[in-house]
Amino acid sequence: QQQVKQSPQSLIVQKGGISIINCAYENTAFDYFPWYQQFPGKGPALLIAIRPDVSEKKEGRFTISFNKSAKQFSLHIMDSQPGDSATYFCAASGHGGYQKVTFGTGTKLQVIP
Amino acid sequence: SQTIHQWPATLVQPVGSPLSLECTVEGTSNPNLYWYRQAAGRGLQLLFYSVGIGQISSEVPQNLSASRPQDRQFILSSKKLLLSDSGFYLCAWSRLTGGGSEQFFGPGTRLTVL
Repeated sequence: QQQVKQSPQSLIVQKGGISIINCAYENTAFDYFPWYQQFPGKGPALLIAIRPDVSEKKEGRFTISFNKSAKQFSLHIMDSQPGDSATYFCAASGHGGYQKVTFGTGTKLQVIP
Repeated sequence: SQTIHQWPATLVQPVGSPLSLECTVEGTSNPNLYWYRQAAGRGLQLLFYSVGIGQISSEVPQNLSASRPQDRQFILSSKKLLLSDSGFYLCAWSRLTGGGSEQFFGPGTRLTVL
């Protein structure tokens, strides 16, 4: 019940295309859903996050879509660029406690020119 | 602003040798701290977390241990390294935000056990 399932495992997108990464969760206690971007040899960096009281959040070319009833959320990267090539992790967390964050298994995105 | 440091950046150690990785956080007080391990091309495995000085919780039984001697210092240790301990070790701190939790990662330590 604590898992966050992420797909696809890897993704190749043409430059200028839309990259879509999907995540699903089961634990209804999750109420915060961040996405992380990791370049090779670096630590993950927070990219964008959403709370379940909104269905969409957009920051530049990055958009999170959230479907609370389906317990699914996704990251859309519009106009994908080679510089977006990285591994993306979705995550989920709940209130209080020690603030554990449950991560998805990651999606390796490659944007080809 | 908050920053998180890890050292060393890379480490090559023989099997059976000890290990000490250090993580420090600046610009915040009483952070929750975490150690993760990431195998090549894989996801993030939570190893330890700490909510305060001297308070350590282990997520996965293994050959490693953690300590928090100061508020903003987190140390990952081993008495005898195994080949399977190789990986990318990440320290992170977290803050609450609007009811949820965001984690901020350090630059990582690449450990190779030979």
